[in-house]
Amino acid sequence: GQQVMQIPQYQHVQEGEDFTTYCNSSTTLSNIQWYKQRPGGHPVFLIQLVKSGEVKKQKRLTFQFGEAKKNSSLHITATQTTDVGTYFCAGRGSEKLVFGKGTKLTVNP
Amino acid sequence: NAGVTQTPKFQVLKTGQSMTLQCAQDMNHEYMSWYRQDPGMGLRLIHYSVGAGITDQGEVPNGYNVSRSTTEDFPLRLLSAAPSQTSVYFCASSTQGVTEAFFGQGTRLTVV
Repeated sequence: GQQVMQIPQYQHVQEGEDFTTYCNSSTTLSNIQWYKQRPGGHPVFLIQLVKSGEVKKQKRLTFQFGEAKKNSSLHITATQTTDVGTYFCAGRGSEKLVFGKGTKLTVNP
Repeated sequence: NAGVTQTPKFQVLKTGQSMTLQCAQDMNHEYMSWYRQDPGMGLRLIHYSVGAGITDQGEVPNGYNVSRSTTEDFPLRLLSAAPSQTSVYFCASSTQGVTEAFFGQGTRLTVV
């Protein structure tokens, strides 16, 4: 079945450093979505990528979708303490939305 | 706008007990799903539904039943709770196709 792998599982950075999480799917995806979950909270949608090679930016966050539509990345420039949480990618192949295991980001002020 | 509402927020069950986790959405979304979240395991899909009367299994369906008699409600039933079902459960909904999922606040279930 469809699998979505995400690395790293944990990342600890100093405030101001950059952060990147990577996502790979075993199958071609129709789209990839990214979510953020704050500690004790629920996942909240950040963005969706649909087109091959697509790049989208949200302030300090940059999202990329691979040319083959099987991988994606999220890059945060100059992390802030408000960025702490777990970032999930989620791939939709047919009907199901399958999540990666997430990358837990901690930021040392 | 309530969005996705899950009840209860917390629950403690004894092994062998049954219970139903409730999920309701007021956005007229066709697609609803249940996930469980365990440390280091991410969000694993239990069951999902693409519309009223239609349900299907996800990655980890064993020990859980669902039904979808209305568009709004998608309850998750544990027939005989086991300690391995201790987890945080999230319900999510979305429109059909390529759209974002809206999550409920979660239910923290402990089976002793």
